[in-house]
Amino acid sequence: GAVVSQHPSRVICKSGTSVKIECRSLDFQATTMFWYRQFPKQSLMLMATSNEGSKATYEQGVEKDKFLINHASLTLSTLTVTSAHPEDSSFYICSARDLDRASTDTQYFGPGTRLTVL
Amino acid sequence: AQSVTQPDIHITVSEGASLELRCNYSYGATPYLFWYVQSPGQGLQLLLKYFSGDTLVQGIKGFEAEFKRSQSSFNLRKPSVHWSDAAEYFCAVGPGTYKYIFGTGTRLKVLA
Repeated sequence: GAVVSQHPSRVICKSGTSVKIECRSLDFQATTMFWYRQFPKQSLMLMATSNEGSKATYEQGVEKDKFLINHASLTLSTLTVTSAHPEDSSFYICSARDLDRASTDTQYFGPGTRLTVL
Repeated sequence: AQSVTQPDIHITVSEGASLELRCNYSYGATPYLFWYVQSPGQGLQLLLKYFSGDTLVQGIKGFEAEFKRSQSSFNLRKPSVHWSDAAEYFCAVGPGTYKYIFGTGTRLKVLA
């Protein structure tokens, strides 16, 4: 149980294009999902908190117009990197909190998406 | 301020040897504590977690961790390491303001 998927696992795009990354909770409902960015050999940096049916909350320094987050259902959140540039190349990981296990406050992580912007 | 410190960036052990990965935290209240493992190019897998109760928690893959409030520590241990344990290990504290705070990670290398 508590499986989170991400799609695509790997994407290469040209500079200036937009890329959408999906995060799905497969066997549970998640009112809250989180998006992280991880640079090589570094820890995870929280980018934003995505709440179903409402606007995402972005961390300081994260451009909300560049990283568009939509959490349209209890099992799906999307991150769109708009007008991507090479400096946006990174490993993006999502996580989800299980609604039914809110008291345990455990985040379950997706496998990550490797974005390369040429 | 809330923080998590993993003092060891790299650790190398021989297969079959015991392992201890250190984690220290700074937190205003009793924290929720987690250990995650990340294999290269992969997401994070939950190894174990502590919320309350018994301070020695058992996790998957033969790992255990002990919460020591007096030392603000939550060290991860395994009595006998396997080559497949080579990975990056992250300690995290939460929920606080709903967010996890991650340590910088410890990269484990296992020698055959």
